[in-house]
Amino acid sequence: AAGVIQSPRHLIKEKRETATLKCYPIPRHDTVYWYQQGPGQDPQFLISFYEKMQSDKGSIPDRFSAQQFSDYHSELNMSSLELGDSALYFCASSLEGHEQYFGPGTRLTVT
Amino acid sequence: AQKVTQAQTEISVVEKEDVTLDCVYETRDTTYYLFWYKQPPSGELVFLIRRNSFDEQNEISGRYSWNFQKSTSSFNFTITASQVVDSAVYFCALSELYAGGTSYGKLTFGQGTILTVHP
Repeated sequence: AAGVIQSPRHLIKEKRETATLKCYPIPRHDTVYWYQQGPGQDPQFLISFYEKMQSDKGSIPDRFSAQQFSDYHSELNMSSLELGDSALYFCASSLEGHEQYFGPGTRLTVT
Repeated sequence: AQKVTQAQTEISVVEKEDVTLDCVYETRDTTYYLFWYKQPPSGELVFLIRRNSFDEQNEISGRYSWNFQKSTSSFNFTITASQVVDSAVYFCALSELYAGGTSYGKLTFGQGTILTVHP
């Protein structure tokens, strides 16, 4: 069965650079969620989209922005990267807000 | 606001032992979902179970079982006859209904319990 796809899987950036993470939800899923998991931490909700509209917002820094496109894939844009942004970023998708299926994550390292 | 607490930060057992991971939650909603996820060393989040707040029946799936007690706001997870492959971080999570909606929103995770099973 198709799963959530995230790219890239690993990303290394320098401080103050910009990063773009991509998420391709399971086909026919209409909701996408982004989570950030710092080292040794639990995943923290960043933002979600339902039918291409932002549906909820968590503790997402102003330096980050996200959107969901017409084909339902989503991108998380991160600017002015800081060392503290180093984390595992998960995307999850669901159908009508029910069970969330997680992608494999993108490991971002900021040096 | 919703909150999930996993009191055990780390648990270490020897193979074939039974182990129970505790989860206590707080929510103002009467309708919500509870989840358990497994995160092996490779990093992905593996869904284990979802439980609706109206369904207090315990569930068993192979060596895994879950005990949901609404009266104590607990959703504990037991692994019977643990195996080395069970070594992972386990997260309990809660999802509430959107206000006035019919769909569930963001997951709030507990801090996670690191389970190490020794051969």
